[in-house]
Amino acid sequence: DAGVTQSPTHLIKTRGQQVTLRCSPISGHKSVSWYQQVLGQGPQFIFQYYEKEERGRGNFPDRFSARQFPNYSSELNVNALLLGDSALYLCASTPSGVETQYFGPGTRLLVL
Amino acid sequence: QKEVEQNSGPLSVPEGAIASLNCTYSDRGSQSFFWYRQYSGKSPELIMFIYSNGDKEDGRFTAQLNKASQYVSLLIRDSQPSDSATYLCAVNPASNFGNEKLTFGTGTRLTIIP
Repeated sequence: DAGVTQSPTHLIKTRGQQVTLRCSPISGHKSVSWYQQVLGQGPQFIFQYYEKEERGRGNFPDRFSARQFPNYSSELNVNALLLGDSALYLCASTPSGVETQYFGPGTRLLVL
Repeated sequence: QKEVEQNSGPLSVPEGAIASLNCTYSDRGSQSFFWYRQYSGKSPELIMFIYSNGDKEDGRFTAQLNKASQYVSLLIRDSQPSDSATYLCAVNPASNFGNEKLTFGTGTRLTIIP
């Protein structure tokens, strides 16, 4: 089975721009979570969606938003990019009935 | 106090020896605990999870949990050079499915010396 997929793999943006990151969960997984990992740190929770409903939000500004589609794929949007938004953005999916999360390869975002 | 604390390392262990990685957490109500391995430039890969006090073994890996001490550890037996990576400890304070939110430590960088 295919794992979690994310696109694009790399992205370069300039300050003030907007970016959309995409994630497709493992087939059958209905829960998707987004994390931001800054170099040298552990991943930090941004959002969690289950059955298209937001179930959790981390301590991130309103410039960050997300949504989940009927096929359980998800998008993360970041507006008004700042240099500090440069990071690896990870998507994780979770199978029903368990709590283990499986991460995709990530999208590496560089803001100049 | 950080919610999940790990020694950032680097931790150097000779090949074939036991590597011991430690993690403490602050939320006493935390219910589930995870260890992820992350190679440089890659995404985290799940190694093990543990929910109950005691030991859980999977191949060369053993996770140990002590909720009273708010301590979780990972032992890697017969360490191999391919085990060289950053090991992330993650904690989920929620006990209900559908509310997954992992809090990660900063990771311990492990180097296995041939």
